[in-house]
Amino acid sequence: EPEVTQTPSHQVTQMGQEVILRCVPISNHLYFYWYRQILGQKVEFLVSFYNNEISEKSEIFDDQFSVERPDGSNFTLKIRSTKLEDSAMYFCASSEDLGDEQFFGPGTRLTVL
Amino acid sequence: AQKVTQAQTEISVVEKEDVTLDCVYETRDTTYYLFWYKQPPSGELVFLIRRNSFDEQNEISGRYSWNFQKSTSSFNFTITASQVVDSAVYFCALSEGEYSTLTFGKGTMLLVSP
Repeated sequence: EPEVTQTPSHQVTQMGQEVILRCVPISNHLYFYWYRQILGQKVEFLVSFYNNEISEKSEIFDDQFSVERPDGSNFTLKIRSTKLEDSAMYFCASSEDLGDEQFFGPGTRLTVL
Repeated sequence: AQKVTQAQTEISVVEKEDVTLDCVYETRDTTYYLFWYKQPPSGELVFLIRRNSFDEQNEISGRYSWNFQKSTSSFNFTITASQVVDSAVYFCALSEGEYSTLTFGKGTMLLVSP
């Protein structure tokens, strides 16, 4: 069964460093998303991506964040200068169409020291 | 603005008990989608069900059933004869018609003991 994959599973970084989180969505899906979940809290939307551009973004997704689909399979989230409060689990998701179920990857746990 | 409320923070049951997880939503849109996801201790988010606003038919899938009532803006989830493997955090989520954003509730942690 096709699934969303994410790498790395755990990333530890120093405050102020740049990180890139990688995702491979399900191959025939057209919509891609990033969400985050601070430990013990609810899942929060960051950004959605369709047709090679951002379609929606939340207030959390400020200038420190960017997304890219560098090739036909990868979908990346970059945080330019990490802060302590960026520590969270970051989930990538994809869906075939608007409003369809979103399938989530296993997540990347980001720890900012 | 859309909002999802899961008032039950934590529920503890004994195996074989039935349990219902509540979800109440708010939206101004007439076209919307409701979802339930399961997050087991391993941390991944597992899709369980998707319902659109025009389909109020209740759904049953094995031990799982969902009750969608537009009149009360609720989309409740019942597990029949719970098992230890059902222990997880369950999230209800909402997306509005022309947007793909999922708004999640805070989740309900279900603990099923043997």
